[in-house]
Order: sequence, then structure tokens, then C-alpha cells
Amino acid sequence: DAGITQSPRYKITETGRQVTLMCHQTWSHSYMFWYRQDLGHGLRLIYYSAAADITDKGEVPDGYVVSRSKTENFPLTLESATRSQTSVYFCAATGDASYEQYFGPGTRLTVT
Amino acid sequence: RKEVEQDPGPFNVPEGATVAFNCTYSNSASQSFFWYRQDCRKEPKLLMSVYSSGNEDGRFTAQLNRASQYISLLIRDSKLSDSATYLCVVPNSGGSNYKLTFGKGTLLTVNP
Repeated sequence: DAGITQSPRYKITETGRQVTLMCHQTWSHSYMFWYRQDLGHGLRLIYYSAAADITDKGEVPDGYVVSRSKTENFPLTLESATRSQTSVYFCAATGDASYEQYFGPGTRLTVT
Repeated sequence: RKEVEQDPGPFNVPEGATVAFNCTYSNSASQSFFWYRQDCRKEPKLLMSVYSSGNEDGRFTAQLNRASQYISLLIRDSKLSDSATYLCVVPNSGGSNYKLTFGKGTLLTVNP
């Protein structure tokens, strides 16, 4: 049971490039979340989704776009990467009626 | 008061020691609380849930004080493998979207 997978695990990209981070769950959990984790800030919510085709902004959504055409996938796109988006990105999911979130292994993104 | 605030740490303790972390939260309506553990360069993983006054799991005890709005995590007989960052987590204010607010974490290092 893989749970949540993220790809790529490591990515280096240049300023201005578009990059998409993938997140896939093997369950059918309704809620999925994208966080970024930076020193001094902890985990901050970027976007979340309550179900397929339902997404909403979190605390730090600027510069990011999400979609959720299928329950199991929740990709995060940086439309035009900036150095300030260098971070570790975590995807998470939780089942209905539960606050217990399960995280993927993370993607380390460096924007040069 | 910040939504979630933790002891800044870091904590350095010898093996076998007892160590406690505190966390304060601002949302007095919160009914459930969590402690997550995050190893270096890994994803956060759920350690304990707290739904009433407290919870105990082996060497780990989480206590909740609703009147003072704080949660504590006590680790007895510390092991080297307990070295990690411990995150205090509280559901967001209002709504049914299962969002969580994460504290910035407290780093624990258990020394031989």
C-alpha cells in the first residue's frame, strides 16, 4: 500500500520556467492538500481540495495553480518559478470525517 | 495569541531522560489536537491524537488543558531514535474543510 507518492522527488529549475509537481494517492480520500516547508516558517498551506473539481486557496497560494480532475491526483503547478519558491513541497490527504493527514515523501524544489 | 505556538527548542537531552514540550493554541473551539513527528529530510507523520484530556501510548503522553489552551507532549525514557522535530497541530478555526495549522516544530536531539 503506497499511500501517497510525489514526483519528482528532486527538481532544479530556472527562474521563469513552468514546473508541475505531481501527487497521487492510492486510497480514495476526499481531501488533499499542498504545503510548502521553509526554515523559520514551518508548514504552510498552499492549496487544498475537498473533492474532484473542488479546490480552494490556502495561506500562500500566489504563484501556484492546482487542478483535481481525478480524486487520486492533485498536481501543483508553478506557472513562472521564482527563487522564493525554492522549498520542500509536501502533499497530504485525509479521509472523510478525519483531521489526520497523511503526507507524501516531499519534493525538494530549487529555483536558480 | 498565534494560532499555534510551540517551545522554540532545540532540546538536547541524554538517553533515558524525560522531556516535555508545550504548545499553545488560539482557537478555543478546537476539539482535536495532534502531535506529528518529522525526521530530518522526511515527511511529517502522525504521532498522537488528543481528543479529550489526554492520551498515552507507551513512553509518550499527550495532555490537553482546555482552560489554558495548551497541549503538552511528554516523552519518558528517551531513546536515540526519538531525535526528531515534533510538530504541534490544531484544526483551523471554523469550517468543515479539515484544514490543519502546524506549529513551527520543536527539535529534539537525544544524545548517547
